[in-house]
Amino acid sequence: DAGVTQSPTHLIKTRGQQVTLRCSPISGHKSVSWYQQVLGQGPQFIFQYYEKEERGRGNFPDRFSARQFPNYSSELNVNALLLGDSALYLCASSLVLAGGAQYFGPGTRLTVL
Amino acid sequence: DQQVKQNSPSLSVQEGRISILNCDYTNSMFDYFLWYKKYPAEGPTFLISISSIKDKNEDGRFTVFLNKSAKHLSLHIVPSQPGDSAVYFCAASAMDSNYQLIWGAGTKLIIKP
Repeated sequence: DAGVTQSPTHLIKTRGQQVTLRCSPISGHKSVSWYQQVLGQGPQFIFQYYEKEERGRGNFPDRFSARQFPNYSSELNVNALLLGDSALYLCASSLVLAGGAQYFGPGTRLTVL
Repeated sequence: DQQVKQNSPSLSVQEGRISILNCDYTNSMFDYFLWYKKYPAEGPTFLISISSIKDKNEDGRFTVFLNKSAKHLSLHIVPSQPGDSAVYFCAASAMDSNYQLIWGAGTKLIIKP
């Protein structure tokens, strides 16, 4: 069975640009969460979607937005990129909204120059 | 305010011996805890979890212990193998926040031959 997939693997953007990251969950999983991980830290929660509805939002500015599609795949959008947005962006899927393990994709490495 | 702390940035253990990774938390509302392993350039891999109604959970070589009164959990790996060398993250979640994962900063485990 395919795990969580993310695209692209790597991305280089310049300040002020916009970026869209994509995630496909494990088949049958209805919940998708997004995390940002900078070097030396644990992942920081950005968004959680379940059944196409936003169920949670972390402490990130409005430049960050996301959505979940009818097939449960998801996109994370970041507008007006800043140097500090450079990080590994991780997507995780889970079978249920709450109380179960989350399974992660390989991440998208975003570099903002 | 770090709600989940892993105070040891790194740990070196002889192959075949026991590895003990520690994690402390401050939020008494946390009721579900997870351990993940992460290799470079990969997403975190789920290892084992424990609910706050238990004090121990075992899965093969991995055992997680939870001490609620001390707000402390630990991951024991016995026996340690070279493939266990990775960064280990503990994460915690609470029902009142839809089980969003709050992560520690990670401990790098090095298994020496």
